[in-house]
Amino acid sequence: KAGVTQTPRYLIKTRGQQVTLSCSPISGHRSVSWYQQTPGQGLQFLFEYFSETQRNKGNFPGRFSGRQFSNSRSEMNVSTLELGDSALYLCASSLGAGYTEAFFGQGTRLTVV
Amino acid sequence: TQLLEQSPQFLSIQEGENLTVYCNSSSVFSSLQWYRQEPGEGPVLLVTVVTGGEVKKLKRLTFQFGDARKDSSLHITAAQPGDTGLYLCAGVTGNQFYFGTGTSLTVIP
Repeated sequence: KAGVTQTPRYLIKTRGQQVTLSCSPISGHRSVSWYQQTPGQGLQFLFEYFSETQRNKGNFPGRFSGRQFSNSRSEMNVSTLELGDSALYLCASSLGAGYTEAFFGQGTRLTVV
Repeated sequence: TQLLEQSPQFLSIQEGENLTVYCNSSSVFSSLQWYRQEPGEGPVLLVTVVTGGEVKKLKRLTFQFGDARKDSSLHITAAQPGDTGLYLCAGVTGNQFYFGTGTSLTVIP
């Protein structure tokens, strides 16, 4: 079956702009989590959605938001981009409801200039 | 807040050598996972350990969960260039994952 698909793979934006990233989980998976990965901070948890509801949230400012649709696809939005938002954004899907095996997408490489 | 510390942060060894990577925390987790991430890809799950003291082997890789379920180690025997990558541990509590700082391993042919 198809894996986790993230689009786009690469993105270059200017400071102050906003960006929307997309994640399509594995078919049947209801949980989608988002992470920010940078060389200095490692993998940082942004938020998790399960059945269209945000179930967990990390320590990121309100500029970072997300949502999940009825088909489990998820989007992440970052408004008023800052240079420090440059990172690899990873999405992981799992069955949820007690299942802890997470499957990651290839990520979206965001560069803010 | 980073709850899991991995050591070493960087490791460069010759093919055929053995190595151990450590993942330490002051928190107790219901399970602990190890992932490997290659450049340009997302992390891929290697193993999940659940019981304190549990040892799992995956070919040349041996994973151990500490008795108190706060720490873990990954031992690689006779490392090969294909083992090169970023190794991440992740503590699981409830439905949330807490990732370690990562160990970047380079195996030189």
